[in-house]
Amino acid sequence: GAGVSQSPSNKVTEKGKDVELRCDPISGHTALYWYRQSLGQGLEFLIYFQGNSAPDKSGLPSDRFSAERTGGSVSTLTIQRTQQEDSAVYLCASSSTGWPNYGYTFGSGTRLTVV
Amino acid sequence: QKEVEQDPGPLSVPEGAIVSLNCTYSNSAFQYFMWYRQYSRKGPELLMYTYSSGNKEDGRFTAQVDKSSKYISLFIRDSQPSDSATYLCAMSGDYKLSFGAGTTVTVRA
Repeated sequence: GAGVSQSPSNKVTEKGKDVELRCDPISGHTALYWYRQSLGQGLEFLIYFQGNSAPDKSGLPSDRFSAERTGGSVSTLTIQRTQQEDSAVYLCASSSTGWPNYGYTFGSGTRLTVV
Repeated sequence: QKEVEQDPGPLSVPEGAIVSLNCTYSNSAFQYFMWYRQYSRKGPELLMYTYSSGNKEDGRFTAQVDKSSKYISLFIRDSQPSDSATYLCAMSGDYKLSFGAGTTVTVRA
């Protein structure tokens, strides 16, 4: 596609429920990233994919968070047993190369609210 | 101490003024420096990219990097109301970007 597409754009869920967030990167981009942006905070790195592999998962906050990427394209970020502190905007980005890094193209994000 | 420090502002300037934004960082491995612009409820958009130290100009925007001081700047000349947004600095030594908290800028008509 022309840009990075994320769905849903907004998600309200009850505490304890599982959620899945989807990212469609720019076609041909091998590197894909997930970041989290909390109110008044900078962007927090979650995970990096190169192809279908995730060589860096160091930013995932807990084992409730997982992510996968299939076909070198679509990625899904799953949060199990959601907590109120998970409320944030989850941003996906892609780039044509992981290294060196000339900057990513971001999607518009999924705004997650846990009530 | 955060790896990248950026004053969150907010910053309010009259139309036509020069906007000056800056970030400091602590990681000497950073070689790639970027500025992103983020409008409300949108994803960040890459504005400027600079490799290592030096200046880069693109229209009304000038990015400066001083690696010896671990300090980067973004200047916006002849600011317009459409420049009102949050500006995020970002930097990298490898595949991962580290971001500042962002500075919210309002340009008053």
